[in-house]
Amino acid sequence: GAGVSQSPRYKVAKRGQDVALRCDPISGHVSLFWYQQALGQGPEFLTYFQNEAQLDKSGLPSDRFFAERPEGSVSTLKIQRTQQEDSAVYLCASNPIEWAGANQPQHFGDGTRLSIL
Amino acid sequence: KNEVEQSPQNLTAQEGEFITINCSYSVGISALHWLQQHPGGGIVSLFMLSSGKKKHGRLIATINIQEKHSSLHITASHPRDSAVYICAVRSKETSGSRLTFGEGTQLTVNP
Repeated sequence: GAGVSQSPRYKVAKRGQDVALRCDPISGHVSLFWYQQALGQGPEFLTYFQNEAQLDKSGLPSDRFFAERPEGSVSTLKIQRTQQEDSAVYLCASNPIEWAGANQPQHFGDGTRLSIL
Repeated sequence: KNEVEQSPQNLTAQEGEFITINCSYSVGISALHWLQQHPGGGIVSLFMLSSGKKKHGRLIATINIQEKHSSLHITASHPRDSAVYICAVRSKETSGSRLTFGEGTQLTVNP
C-alpha cells in the first residue's frame, strides 16, 4: 500500500520567505510526527499529533515554526521568515495507533530537503 | 553528552565481512529502534526491541537493558547494505511520544 508521502521533495527559498511542507500519512494512521534532520546529524523531534490534536510541540525551535493537522490526516509544517539555520531535511512519520501507550515502529516519509539561501 | 551515542561514526567494510554497529544510551527506555537511511533521505525501520535479540535475514539486533547498550550486526555484508544506520530510543523520562536519535553510522561496503 501507499506509504507516508511528503511534498515537495526539495524546496529552495530565500531567507525571509515563508515555506509550507506537506505530509500525507498512511491512511488511518492516528499518530503523526515531524522531525528535523541537519546535515550529518540524526533527526530531532519537532512535534507530535494524535489525530488532529497537537499533543507535543516542545521540539519546535522557535515561534516561526507552526504545524497543523486540521482534519486528523494531512499535516502541514510551516516556517515563517526562514533563516539559513532552517536548512535541513524535514521528516514526517506516522504510526497506526495512539502512541503513548504502546511501542510500534514508525513509518517514515522520504523527507523534504529545505535549502535557505 | 548526547542521550544516544553510536559508534563508529563511519565504517568501511569489504563485501562479505561481519559488521557490528554499537549504540549506548543514558536514559531509561521503553523501546529501542534501529533504522536504515539511504541517500535521498528515506528511513526504514529495521527493528524495534525492548529486550533480548531479534533477527531478520542477515540482520541481528541485540539489547542489554542493564548495560544500556544495543548492537546491530550484519552478516555477509553486501554493497547494497551501504547506508546510514540510526539508533533511536523511546525514553521513559520524556513525554510519551518522541524518539531520540543517535547521529547515525555511515556504512560503506565495497565490492
